[in-house]
Amino acid sequence: SAVISQKPSRDICQRGTSLTIQCQVDSQVTMMFWYRQQPGQSLTLIATANQGSEATYESGFVIDKFPISRPNLTFSTLTVSNMSPEDSSIYLCSVEVGTHYGYTFGSGTRLTVV
Amino acid sequence: RKEVEQDPGPFNVPEGATVAFNCTYSNSASQSFFWYRQDCRKEPKLLMSVYSSGNEDGRFTAQLNRASQYISLLIRDSKLSDSATYLCVSSSGAGSYQLTFGKGTKLSVIP
Repeated sequence: SAVISQKPSRDICQRGTSLTIQCQVDSQVTMMFWYRQQPGQSLTLIATANQGSEATYESGFVIDKFPISRPNLTFSTLTVSNMSPEDSSIYLCSVEVGTHYGYTFGSGTRLTVV
Repeated sequence: RKEVEQDPGPFNVPEGATVAFNCTYSNSASQSFFWYRQDCRKEPKLLMSVYSSGNEDGRFTAQLNRASQYISLLIRDSKLSDSATYLCVSSSGAGSYQLTFGKGTKLSVIP
């Protein structure tokens, strides 16, 4: 299965600033997925990042707030822009291991906005 | 409207006990199903995929009933190391690849 390196693992940020989270995969993958897990909640998909095209955002998430880059088949970034305390959450990237074989997740970025 | 519903937790069981988790899904177009395990402050990790014929991996058995839109996970001979939150997950496939996560059920195995 793919190995994902995600960083930073955690950060404490001031409101109004932006944070960029990076995910590096050890193999080429067509799609990468970005999730958010708020305290005590399950995972919610933010967007799907395809190489060479615009990311596809889920309802409730917009590109201006969560811009995504996907410059190649092994790397993606998610930026959390103009942060507020409500953005405090764990952000995770994910890739598909193979059809019907599930998905692998990065180790997550624990973001606290003060 | 929750698409994947799980047993409310937490489950506190003694070592060696058998514990069962249940899950229902509302999207009949869901094609693939998984159980993930999430330890505190860690990322989810795939425990096992769930097939219509049922599948077993050591002490873990997963079952899928498509007619009832019901998924289960059975853990036999519980170990302390089984303590975690178990997430029921469905995938719509068909080009969407969106995973829908249940809220999870917390299991604590007690000595």
